[in-house]
Amino acid sequence: DAGITQSPRHKVTETGTPVTLRCHQTENHRYMYWYRQDPGHGLRLIHYSYGVKDTDKGEVSDGYSVSRSKTEDFLLTLESATSSQTSVYFCAISGGTGDYYGYTFGSGTRLTVV
Amino acid sequence: SQQGEEDPQALSIQEGENATMNCSYKTSINNLQWYRQNSGRGLVHLILIRSNEREKHSGRLRVTLDTSKKSSSLLITASRAADTASYFCATDDTSGTYKYIFGTGTRLKVLA
Repeated sequence: DAGITQSPRHKVTETGTPVTLRCHQTENHRYMYWYRQDPGHGLRLIHYSYGVKDTDKGEVSDGYSVSRSKTEDFLLTLESATSSQTSVYFCAISGGTGDYYGYTFGSGTRLTVV
Repeated sequence: SQQGEEDPQALSIQEGENATMNCSYKTSINNLQWYRQNSGRGLVHLILIRSNEREKHSGRLRVTLDTSKKSSSLLITASRAADTASYFCATDDTSGTYKYIFGTGTRLKVLA
């Protein structure tokens, strides 16, 4: 989607290895979010950021950490990947709760932990 | 956690028919949004309705919101094969944290 890119698009990693997913935006939006999508669960919020170096946990944050050192980049790290973290990960950006246009989502990262 | 619950989970209709999806949520909200997701793609924002609004229209989409029942509906009129997708509602809360919680979605299939 225009203005937001995720990398990598696909990744296969082994259990116990660290993994970092990157979300990059060119919209200068303040808010950035990481979600995971699993069958039967819809999208669940992992972490979000409301500014540079300002982050907070979502509903499924265990096993994940994030960092935002620049407005445009929001990194999601799995410190020690487990098979339960096999999922599709989506990044989203927003101008805020008054944003009439809602979230803009990236194309997703499909992560497989073997 | 607060979460929208869509109903039905899956819906199959003929092209030209109307499709209605419902969303229920648990706590007070400021806004409710609807998104579409085509297979293997990211979600696309369709429409936002604020808690003080009862109905919104956008093209072939009509969204209603009943805050007393904590429910919303999305109506797609004169459906097309290209409307085949999953549809999600998303609700914020009133905590001021600007995050949205998504439901599990309705899978819509429009048969040509």
